[in-house]
Amino acid sequence: DADVTQTPRNRITKTGKRIMLECSQTKGHDRMYWYRQDPGLGLRLIYYSFDVKDINKGEISDGYSVSRQAQAKFSLSLESAIPNQTALYFCATSMTGRNTEAFFGQGTRLTVV
Amino acid sequence: AQKITQTQPGMFVQEKEAVTLDCTYDTSDQSYGLFWYKQPSSGEMIFLIYQGSYDEQNATEGRYSLNFQKARKSANLVISASQLGDSAMYFCAMRAWNTGFQKLVFGTGTRLLVSP
Repeated sequence: DADVTQTPRNRITKTGKRIMLECSQTKGHDRMYWYRQDPGLGLRLIYYSFDVKDINKGEISDGYSVSRQAQAKFSLSLESAIPNQTALYFCATSMTGRNTEAFFGQGTRLTVV
Repeated sequence: AQKITQTQPGMFVQEKEAVTLDCTYDTSDQSYGLFWYKQPSSGEMIFLIYQGSYDEQNATEGRYSLNFQKARKSANLVISASQLGDSAMYFCAMRAWNTGFQKLVFGTGTRLLVSP
């Protein structure tokens, strides 16, 4: 089983619908991140969390919300999906420390029609 | 604010040759780390190499090395003896420890194509 698991892997939803992307990890890491990837724009940080009680906005948090239900679970919600939120979404985790790399889930491809 | 710039949208290299992928960064923090990731066409993100701002030697991992020039704020990835399997997107990333709130910030990526 993957250390960082994202569900669903693919999702098509309609404009205006609420949708939740889930991420769970078995690595025991404190830090969790949500990114979105768009062609030509790289990975942009949506939200990040350093522990269950610490959640921070990233570069592009508008239109998104998150919930850190437990150390191992970090969910991303789109309250009212719009077409320009169509993207590849990644969850990542890392240990505390300046030299610790992030481990990524396999990504969720979201299409908003 | 911290920023990563990758100015090469695409690069081409022949098999067995070396290639350099450029990365420049901007931060006022003295303590930071630089990372390179590979994303093959299958989509997963694979960690390649790390360089700390206080590291005196350039990082190396197998065929990957990082050409770290602190004064120029550049952290270029060098891939030696390219292989067909090196064809992928490559992302440079930075974590600034103090002023950057320890976020991991990525550049826009470079697509590398290795030809036979």
